[in-house]
Amino acid sequence: GNSVTQMEGPVTLSEEAFLTINCTYTATGYPSLFWYVQYPGEGLQLLLKATKADDKGSNKGFEATYRKETTSFHLEKGSVQVSDSAVYFCALTTGGFKTIFGAGTRLFVKA
Amino acid sequence: DAGVIQSPRHEVTEMGQEVTLRCKPISGHNSLFWYRQTMMRGLELLIYFNNNVPIDDSGMPEDRFSAKMPNASFSTLKIQPSEPRDSAVYFCASSTITGGVGNEQFFGPGTRLTVL
Repeated sequence: GNSVTQMEGPVTLSEEAFLTINCTYTATGYPSLFWYVQYPGEGLQLLLKATKADDKGSNKGFEATYRKETTSFHLEKGSVQVSDSAVYFCALTTGGFKTIFGAGTRLFVKA
Repeated sequence: DAGVIQSPRHEVTEMGQEVTLRCKPISGHNSLFWYRQTMMRGLELLIYFNNNVPIDDSGMPEDRFSAKMPNASFSTLKIQPSEPRDSAVYFCASSTITGGVGNEQFFGPGTRLTVL
């Protein structure tokens, strides 16, 4: 079946550090891939997405590239801020209604 | 443009009481999802609807849980009777389905349920 695996957290970084959160997936067909972010006390919101192989999604300084050969969609940011502290979810959709979410990775950024 | 609206935002009730959570999806969206989030179990999909019809309710934990979508602009999730282990944040999300593939989901702010 379809699944998403992302690195366990929490991830703790100092401000301006480089961020990578790993995400790999298993899916039949050609999934669309997403990163969602959840700030404290809020619902999930879309951060970025990619719909086909080699596409790069980007938003707010975050980016992720759809790698079909390694079935990966790692999230990166060159310089994190305290305001980036949140939980990040990798997700996919294929033919059908459901979105499959990873377990989430909590990021803490220290000033 | 209003996003997904959920009510109430917080609910505290006693064990055995009936609880009803409400959701208004984004206008024009044809799919609606109910999730539960806890520290222990993470984000769980309970049930989802397409064009007001329940498609998959295999995530509903027990018969105490039921969900309805009487029209395109309203859905309810009911727990009767409630138990302390139902304490969680419940999210509603809506989306559109294009070409048979799900697009991004838009989440509401959630209802934090505490069952004493």
